[in-house]
Amino acid sequence: SQQGEEDPQALSIQEGENATMNCSYKTSINNLQWYRQNSGRGLVHLILIRSNEREKHSGRLRVTLDTSKKSSSLLITASRAADTASYFCATDSPSNTGKLIFGQGTTLQVKP
Amino acid sequence: DGGITQSPKYLFRKEGQNVTLSCEQNLNHDAMYWYRQDPGQGLRLIYYSQIVNDFQKGDIAEGYSVSREKKESFPLTVTSAQKNPTAFYLCATKRERDYNSPLHFGNGTRLTVT
Repeated sequence: SQQGEEDPQALSIQEGENATMNCSYKTSINNLQWYRQNSGRGLVHLILIRSNEREKHSGRLRVTLDTSKKSSSLLITASRAADTASYFCATDSPSNTGKLIFGQGTTLQVKP
Repeated sequence: DGGITQSPKYLFRKEGQNVTLSCEQNLNHDAMYWYRQDPGQGLRLIYYSQIVNDFQKGDIAEGYSVSREKKESFPLTVTSAQKNPTAFYLCATKRERDYNSPLHFGNGTRLTVT
């Protein structure tokens, strides 16, 4: 079962621009996590935001969470060609403790 | 992730054969997971184990089997009953005692069945 729906499916921007990806989910959550995947590789954890948090920052990443709308966004500022990858949101919900449910991902291309 | 080793990186099998994918970790994490990834889709959970000698089915367990005899190892067998086994398989671990800890992933095994 896919809990997260991500938007857009694909995004192409120029280096230096900001990239925003959105994630919507269906059930209540303990936390929401964002992961990055380079082509043909495993996923790498970027940031985790708990259900009682509204915003979190990590370097050039900013994540927001709106539990009333069941949605989250990931903003990458001043993007670089090396940010080219797929980005996934994943939710950990009380009914599925221990099991992360992943969205289908946003493929980001940053052109130099 | 240097702490999780999946082997082999590429695997080719003929239809009707069982195949076992290896996942070994040295992170001392309690929980281990197997996910399947198909093009254009997100990750889908096959099996997971939160403790040695115990494991649970995920969302798409049919045609797969696992074992968890050691904390470090969680092999996945893709059986001939799996109707569409060609996919990218990802193993992950989690420090289960930390409620909000993230998953750590291996670099995957790409299985092609012809």
